[in-house]
Amino acid sequence: GQNIDQPTEMTATEGAIVQINCTYQTSGFNGLFWYQQHAGEAPTFLSYNVLDGLEEKGRFSSFLSRSKGYSYLLLKELQMKDSASYLCAVRDSNYQLIWGAGTKLIIKP
Amino acid sequence: NAGVTQTPKFRVLKTGQSMTLLCAQDMNHEYMYWYRQDPGMGLRLIHYSVGEGTTAKGEVPDGYNVSRLKKQNFLLGLESAAPSQTSVYFCATDEGREYNEQFFGPGTRLTVL
Repeated sequence: GQNIDQPTEMTATEGAIVQINCTYQTSGFNGLFWYQQHAGEAPTFLSYNVLDGLEEKGRFSSFLSRSKGYSYLLLKELQMKDSASYLCAVRDSNYQLIWGAGTKLIIKP
Repeated sequence: NAGVTQTPKFRVLKTGQSMTLLCAQDMNHEYMYWYRQDPGMGLRLIHYSVGEGTTAKGEVPDGYNVSRLKKQNFLLGLESAAPSQTSVYFCATDEGREYNEQFFGPGTRLTVL
């Protein structure tokens, strides 16, 4: 079966750095996406990785290792507005997105 | 540009009632999707469409039907609602390439009593 694992919840302090991990086992791999979802709202796109390595976009970076079936999202200089759920999704061999259950990130002052 | 819109935003049904959820997009995207999101679970694909007049089943299609008569609209129907269909429903669109991100509507919160 296809499976994407993320921690259920994480807590971090305003101004700090946090790393959210995602491991996957899917039938085929055509890229990995990270989305942010604030409570009661729709998911919004953060990043896309298809090759191994780090993609940096402002305060957010995403890393991929295809051989390990592993990705992480790194958030720097945390702000209160970063309190949200972070969803990892993999595009499989059928080009469908397989979604993790999401990681709820709580930011404390 | 409105992007992706969904109607209604909230709905309460009794078991056995029917309803239709409407998704509309002005992004000219070919691909459209219906997902449901339940606590502790990832988004699950119900049905999708790769273009006007086409539909296909996703991971959890039972109890739902869809239609894509116009490119900009994708309808999700529940013929006989069940409590297990209580969920938040999201519509999404993309351009159909593997690197394209999906754009989501604001969601419909459905409760079936």
